[in-house]
Amino acid sequence: DIQMTQSPSAMSASVGDRVTITCRASQGISNYLAWFQQKPGKVPQRLIYGASYLQSGVPSRFSGSGSGSEFTLTISSLQPEDFATYYCLQHNSYPFTFGGGTKVEIK
Amino acid sequence: EVQLVESGGGLVQPGGSLRLSCAASGFTFSDHYMDWVRQAPGKGLEWVGRIKNKADSYTTYYAASVKGRFTISRDDSKNSVYLQMNSLKTEDTAVYYCARIVVTAGYYGMDVWGQGTTVTVSS
Repeated sequence: DIQMTQSPSAMSASVGDRVTITCRASQGISNYLAWFQQKPGKVPQRLIYGASYLQSGVPSRFSGSGSGSEFTLTISSLQPEDFATYYCLQHNSYPFTFGGGTKVEIK
Repeated sequence: EVQLVESGGGLVQPGGSLRLSCAASGFTFSDHYMDWVRQAPGKGLEWVGRIKNKADSYTTYYAASVKGRFTISRDDSKNSVYLQMNSLKTEDTAVYYCARIVVTAGYYGMDVWGQGTTVTVSS
């Protein structure tokens, strides 16, 4: 199975900060990677698919990059509504696997 | 409105069985693959499995942690997907979500999720 290592597991940031979250795959997954945001008590929402394509309706401050085994999710200017937990998901090969999550908290 | 509604969760003893349902509305259910994802209390997301559509022979895939114990099925006439869970363990305690799979720019992915149903495995 492909392991997805996400870092950091938690971080504190301020409104307006640039935030970068990384996901590393234990083997190459091309660009079959998605990013999800989950707020407390809420259902996950897809932000990015195909490693870099922005889901319709998602603010342009979110962006994704990477291919192969290393990927990043960037929030260019953190907004109050962005405080949440973020997960990557590889869907290159079965069984699919999520990263462990990154909790973004208010500094 | 596209909607997924899970049901069937509850308290079950270790070794027991439970069948979850996910009722879909607002889209052509039979066209879509469907996934199940779970989240243990205070933990991250775990992909459970997938069922493809009729065109792809209703093929199923499972996470290693549930393979041989869980079975995904669907009834397109009822716009529903199911998760049959047998030989349940305490570590199966989680909120279980169903999710619709769409193809966007050639990528298959979860675009709509249900609200989840809670399964508690405890004696």
